[in-house]
Amino acid sequence: SQKIEQNSEALNIQEGKTATLTCNYTNYSPAYLQWYRQDPGRGPVFLLLIRENEKEKRKERLKVTFDTTLKQSLFHITASQPADSATYLCAEHNQGGKLIFGQGTELSVKP
Amino acid sequence: DVKVTQSSRYLVKRTGEKVFLECVQDMDHENMFWYRQDPGLGLRLIYFSYDVKMKEKGDIPEGYSVSREKKERFSLILESASTNQTSMYLCASSLLVQGPSYNEQFFGPGTRLTVL
Repeated sequence: SQKIEQNSEALNIQEGKTATLTCNYTNYSPAYLQWYRQDPGRGPVFLLLIRENEKEKRKERLKVTFDTTLKQSLFHITASQPADSATYLCAEHNQGGKLIFGQGTELSVKP
Repeated sequence: DVKVTQSSRYLVKRTGEKVFLECVQDMDHENMFWYRQDPGLGLRLIYFSYDVKMKEKGDIPEGYSVSREKKERFSLILESASTNQTSMYLCASSLLVQGPSYNEQFFGPGTRLTVL
């Protein structure tokens, strides 16, 4: 069955550093991967989508890569700020508009 | 600004009660979804709907039903609430996927349901 995995351990980094979060998928090659941000007590908010034929996508301080050989997507936040602290979810696009979500990785950026 | 609203942010119900969670979107989206989110388990799809009066089971439909009488509204029903249905419930909507277009989902703020 389709499975998407994120590191369940929280990531703690210092302000100004680059945060890198990992999303691994198994048993299939998704056409798209999406990344969402979720703050405590709130619904997820869409950040970026990357297609399988794209190696990299950028949006301001955010960068997503998609390596179909490694079956992995990396999500980078450069020049991280305490306001970037949140849980980040990756999701694989399935047919019919369904998304399969990973469990999320909590990021904490310390001043 | 696009918006998905849910009827309650917090809800406390008793075991055996019938519970209705309402979700409304103002984006004219075809797809609507209900998820529950639990620590360590992530977001799990309960039901989704791709058109009025249409519904499809997600990964964990047991103990739940849904209703979609109008395009903008998608209701989740707990027929007889149980304590293991205590959770955060999230509604989302998206455009219908056509060809290579993507289907970013827009989420509501969530309903924290506690069943005593």
